[in-house]
Amino acid sequence: NAGVTQTPKFQVLKTGQSMTLQCAQDMNHNSMYWYRQDPGMGLRLIYYSASEGTTDKGEVPNGYNVSRLNKREFSLRLESAAPSQTSVYFCASSEAVTQYFGPGTRLTVT
Amino acid sequence: GQQVMQIPQYQHVQEGEDFTTYCNSSTTLSNIQWYKQRPGGHPVFLIQLVKSGEVKKQKRLTFQFGEAKKNSSLHITATQTTDVGTYFCAGSRHNNDMRFGAGTRLTVKP
Repeated sequence: NAGVTQTPKFQVLKTGQSMTLQCAQDMNHNSMYWYRQDPGMGLRLIYYSASEGTTDKGEVPNGYNVSRLNKREFSLRLESAAPSQTSVYFCASSEAVTQYFGPGTRLTVT
Repeated sequence: GQQVMQIPQYQHVQEGEDFTTYCNSSTTLSNIQWYKQRPGGHPVFLIQLVKSGEVKKQKRLTFQFGEAKKNSSLHITATQTTDVGTYFCAGSRHNNDMRFGAGTRLTVKP
């Protein structure tokens, strides 16, 4: 089992460009999450999906959209990137207690 | 809104010394989780505490949940170089509302 995978690992965008971060899990989990991690601020929840077909806003959803494509995949889209979105993005999945995190995507917006 | 504060932000210890990180919530929590993130890595689940006053141990790590379910601590006895990383607490009031503390970065001098 690969667990939670994320692509790409690194990305540099110019302000105003768009991109989609991909996440997939092979553990048959119902819940999936997107977090961003900034220095000194821990992880903040952007969006989550409690089950296939549902998505909900987290703590910092502005500037992002998500799609729960199927049970395995949960993508995060930046429609018009801003320098404030420079961060490390983690996807996670869970079935009950434990959240399993992917390796992260380091995004820089110039 | 719910806030989870974690102190200290950094801790540097000599190998063999003890280490403690503290987590405080502005509201009563239903549960608290602890995660460890190695440098350059992703958060890895350590444990969940649910009951008031609960204490759990994992080898040299001791986790406590306060009587009022608003604070928690992680204590490492006799640190080793393998303990290096950032330790995060994450508190929940209900499902899918987990808020992470900013983390305590532990460095260990051999």
